[in-house]
Amino acid sequence: EAGVTQFPSHSVIEKGQTVTLRCDPISGHDNLYWYRRVMGKEIKFLLHFVKESKQDESGMPNNRFLAERTGGTYSTLKVQPAELEDSGVYFCASSQVVGGGGYTFGSGTRLTVV
Amino acid sequence: RKEVEQDPGPFNVPEGATVAFNCTYSNSASQSFFWYRQDCRKEPKLLMSVYSSGNEDGRFTAQLNRASQYISLLIRDSKLSDSATYLCVVNKDQGGKLIFGQGTELSVKP
Repeated sequence: EAGVTQFPSHSVIEKGQTVTLRCDPISGHDNLYWYRRVMGKEIKFLLHFVKESKQDESGMPNNRFLAERTGGTYSTLKVQPAELEDSGVYFCASSQVVGGGGYTFGSGTRLTVV
Repeated sequence: RKEVEQDPGPFNVPEGATVAFNCTYSNSASQSFFWYRQDCRKEPKLLMSVYSSGNEDGRFTAQLNRASQYISLLIRDSKLSDSATYLCVVNKDQGGKLIFGQGTELSVKP
């Protein structure tokens, strides 16, 4: 079974530019999550999709972040315009069921804003 | 106060040692509890769920004390391959949101 795939693995952009991260969940997983770890801090929840619908977006830091999951398959997370404090590792995860903890995480996108 | 707090690391132990990690959570209504493991520059991976009755998986034993809002992980007979960061994770309401502790780094030396 293919795991959760994230692209790109690394991205270095200048402040003010736009970056789009992509996540392909495990096939058949309706639930898709975005998390982020900024340096020195714990991993934090950003949002949760059930199929193409946003179930919980309480962790999205501000309106510079836009997540989509058209068709309920892969998801994108766009940061526009990027700020220095957006630097960190963005993880995507997917699961068949909600409420358990057995989420499968992707290897993450390491974003550096300079 | 952080929602999930863990022992500060790093823990440096020799091979064969027994090591224990502790974690406390602030929300008494929290529903589910887990230990994840994260290797350097890798993704978190579920190590084990934690149940009120305590549970064991090989050399790993997890305990939950709901009254004290305390979770523990015991690793017996440490191996070099156990070196990683161990993340205490809580699901408050059986929804999709996991709350992570900052993690405790373990380094097992020969």
